[in-house]
Amino acid sequence: EIVLTQSPATLSLSPGERATLSCRASQSVGIYLAWYQQQPGQAPRLLIFDASNRATGIPARFSGNGSETDFTLTISSLEPEDFAVYYCQQRSNWFTFGQGTRLEIK
Amino acid sequence: EVQLVESGGGLVQPGGSLRLSCSASGFTFSGYAMHWVRQAPGKGLEYVSAINFDGQSKYYADSVKGRFTVSRDNSKTTLYLQMTSVRAEDTAVYYCVKDNGTYWDAFDIWGQGTMVTVSS
Repeated sequence: EIVLTQSPATLSLSPGERATLSCRASQSVGIYLAWYQQQPGQAPRLLIFDASNRATGIPARFSGNGSETDFTLTISSLEPEDFAVYYCQQRSNWFTFGQGTRLEIK
Repeated sequence: EVQLVESGGGLVQPGGSLRLSCSASGFTFSGYAMHWVRQAPGKGLEYVSAINFDGQSKYYADSVKGRFTVSRDNSKTTLYLQMTSVRAEDTAVYYCVKDNGTYWDAFDIWGQGTMVTVSS
């Protein structure tokens, strides 16, 4: 099983700041990595697929980067609605999720 | 509008059975793989099961293998998860998820989830 490790566990930032979230895979997943956002009490939402492609309707401030084992999700300038939990997920070898990064308001 | 609506959750005793359903609308259900993902209270996302577009290919996480069965009825645009020999650790919100492809791609549409509680 491919293990995905997200860091940090919690990120405290202010609106307008830049957020960088990391996801590391225990073995190469190529570019088959996605990012999801989950607001409290809601279902997750697809943000980025195949490492760097924004899903339909996702604002340009969200961007993804990386390949093989190291990936990042960057939010260029935080909006109030961006404070949520973010998960990475691989589909290279079946499917696994990272443990999540909580992005909270500082 | 693309929509996934789960049903069938509830309280079940350890060792019991439950069948979850997911009614799909707004897209060509028979053209896409589907998945089940769960989330225990206060915890992260855990992958459960996958089924490809025609139901011929299925996958299960080790934690549910041999106990859960995924199926689909394309004529009814409905996905199912038959849960047997349930355990306390199966307590979670179960999400029905649409794949972006016929086999395995990103998870582009999520239902709102149905809660399953395993307790005596």
